[in-house]
Amino acid sequence: GESVGLHLPTLSVQEGDNSIINCAYSNSASDYFIWYKQESGKGPQFIIDIRSNMDKRQGQRVTVLLNKTVKHLSLQIAATQPGDSAVYFCAENMGNTDKLIFGTGTRLQVFP
Amino acid sequence: SQTIHQWPATLVQPVGSPLSLECTVEGTSNPNLYWYRQAAGRGLQLLFYSVGIGQISSEVPQNLSASRPQDRQFILSSKKLLLSDSGFYLCAWSTGLDQPQHFGDGTRLSIL
Repeated sequence: GESVGLHLPTLSVQEGDNSIINCAYSNSASDYFIWYKQESGKGPQFIIDIRSNMDKRQGQRVTVLLNKTVKHLSLQIAATQPGDSAVYFCAENMGNTDKLIFGTGTRLQVFP
Repeated sequence: SQTIHQWPATLVQPVGSPLSLECTVEGTSNPNLYWYRQAAGRGLQLLFYSVGIGQISSEVPQNLSASRPQDRQFILSSKKLLLSDSGFYLCAWSTGLDQPQHFGDGTRLSIL
């Protein structure tokens, strides 16, 4: 079946460096994508979203890139901080539904 | 602004006991509502979603049920809990298609 997955289960970066978290999706009908951050013991927190008519969207210190040709989504975090340590999930919305399909998550660890 | 509340935050129940988890949303009308379960170290699995009062869609066959007695209230229930019902249960809301879902802080359910 269709699925959303992540290439790296754990990513370790030094404080101040840039982080890149990757996600592959397999459903070409997906037209809306979201990145979430989940800290231990809490619910996922919305970070940024992007629609399929765009290939890049920027927020505060974060950028999401969408490559529909290879069905790849990435989240870039600039100047990574200790507070960025969390598990990051990508999610896709297949066209004409209200349902999201979540990937399994990537743990980001930031060390001094 | 919109807020979502889930309670209790943690719950320990014996096998065979009933369950009722409650979720309420404030600051919006006619939201789409969702219940997810998250196993340890895993992604989110959609259990139920609702687009209106009394309208419930079940995503996976299971020991649980959901109800929406009021516009901004979503309840997850079970008549007899199983060991396999242990997990982290998350409620979420959205305004509809191609909009982000916003999550509560979850209920950690342990079955003994």
